[in-house]
Amino acid sequence: EAGVAQSPRYKIIEKRQSVAFWCNPISGHATLYWYQQILGQGPKLLIQFQNNGVVDDSQLPKDRFSAERLKGVDSTLKIQPAKLEDSAVYLCASSLDLMGGQSYEQYFGPGTRLTVT
Amino acid sequence: GDSVTQMEGPVTLSEEAFLTINCTYTATGYPSLFWYVQYPGEGLQLLLKATKADDKGSNKGFEATYRKETTSFHLEKGSVQVSDSAVYFCALRGSASKIIFGSGTRLSIRP
Repeated sequence: EAGVAQSPRYKIIEKRQSVAFWCNPISGHATLYWYQQILGQGPKLLIQFQNNGVVDDSQLPKDRFSAERLKGVDSTLKIQPAKLEDSAVYLCASSLDLMGGQSYEQYFGPGTRLTVT
Repeated sequence: GDSVTQMEGPVTLSEEAFLTINCTYTATGYPSLFWYVQYPGEGLQLLLKATKADDKGSNKGFEATYRKETTSFHLEKGSVQVSDSAVYFCALRGSASKIIFGSGTRLSIRP
């Protein structure tokens, strides 16, 4: 079974530029998550999708971050404009979870390391 | 709100030493508890979990027991190997079904 795929693996941009990350979850997984992991900290949930609907985006800085999950499969996370403090690893995860049902294990991708200079 | 506090690293041990990484939590209700591991260059992987008080999660020689009375979920291994070198994250899933992670503990094992 293929795992969660993410691209690119590394990205370096200047502040005020824009950047986009892509995630392809495990086939059949209804729920997709984007996390931000700042160096020395644990991952922090940015947004959670159930199929193509947003379940939780309470910690997403909506003035600069946006995310979409078209057709309930792949997802993109965008930052525009980037700030220095956005330097972090952006992790995508997926799970079988269905709304109101049992919670299943989250499977994580390798992450995208973003450096903002 | 829910939170996880874990032992700060880095932790450096010799091969075959006994390992303990402390983790305590704050949560309303009865969260599920997890340990995740991140090997160099790889994504986060679930190491073990426990879903109710007094449950013991175990995998790859690692163990952790859900202690409700002390709100703890300490990770232990009797004899560590060089291949155990990684970053370990304690985490909980509470009533909101969101996973809250601790800050991580980097473990290095000397041959």
